[in-house]
Amino acid sequence: EVQLLESGGGLVQPGGSLRLSCAASGFTFSSFALSWVRQAPGKGLEWVSSISGGGGATYYADSVKGRFVVSRDNSRNTLYVLMNSLRVEDTAVYYCAKDPLYDFWASGWFDPWGQGTLVTVSS
Amino acid sequence: QSVLTQPPSASGTPGQRVTISCSGSDSNIGYNYVYWYQQLPGTAPKLLIYKNNQRPSGVPDRFSGSKSGTSASLAISGLRSEDEADYYCATWDDSLSGRVFGGGTKVTVL
Repeated sequence: EVQLLESGGGLVQPGGSLRLSCAASGFTFSSFALSWVRQAPGKGLEWVSSISGGGGATYYADSVKGRFVVSRDNSRNTLYVLMNSLRVEDTAVYYCAKDPLYDFWASGWFDPWGQGTLVTVSS
Repeated sequence: QSVLTQPPSASGTPGQRVTISCSGSDSNIGYNYVYWYQQLPGTAPKLLIYKNNQRPSGVPDRFSGSKSGTSASLAISGLRSEDEADYYCATWDDSLSGRVFGGGTKVTVL
C-alpha cells in the first residue's frame, strides 16, 4: 500500500523559513514524480511544486517561485520542500502527493495524497 | 480566484442525481484531461475520476465524469449520505505550465 506521511509543519514568523518532509513507502520511490499541494484554511486546493522521479526537473507555481525549493532524497524515500521568505498567505495545510509517471506531465494526476501538515505564518 | 470555475454548492436528497460543472478555457480544459477529487470532511483529497471519465479501482460507478469543449462535469447518481464532501476539478493549464484546480463544490445530502 502506498503511504505518504508529511511532517515539519508549525508556526513561523513572516519572512522566516521552514522545511517540510514527506516520507514515502509502498512503491519504487525514484520511479515517480511527487508534488506538494496546499490548502489555505477554509479554501480550495492549490498546486505548489513538483519534482521528477530522479530529481533533475523541478516545477513551481508562480506564487512560490523563487521562494520555495523542492528536492528529494531517493536513498531515504523522502520528499522535501524548503520554504523561504514565508508570507501570511502561505498559511495552509501542505499535502504531498504521488504522480503516476516519472515526470510531471500534463496528463498526470495526484494519487494518493498524504494526510497533510499545517503551516501557520503569523507574527 | 480559481482558474477553473465550479459552483460553490450543490445538494440533493438520497437517491437523487447531482451534477457539478467545471468551466475553463482552451488553455486548460479545452486541450487537456480533467480530473476530479473528493475531499471528505477533515480528510485529505482522494482521486475520484482521471482522464475525463475513468474511475480508479474502488470508486463506485455512481460517480461519472464527462468533458465537452472547455467544460467538464461530475455526476453522482443514487446520492448517499457518505457522498457529502467537497469536490474539486483539476487539469493542466498550458499558459501557466502547471496543474490548476477549481474552487471546489460542497455537496450536501438533504
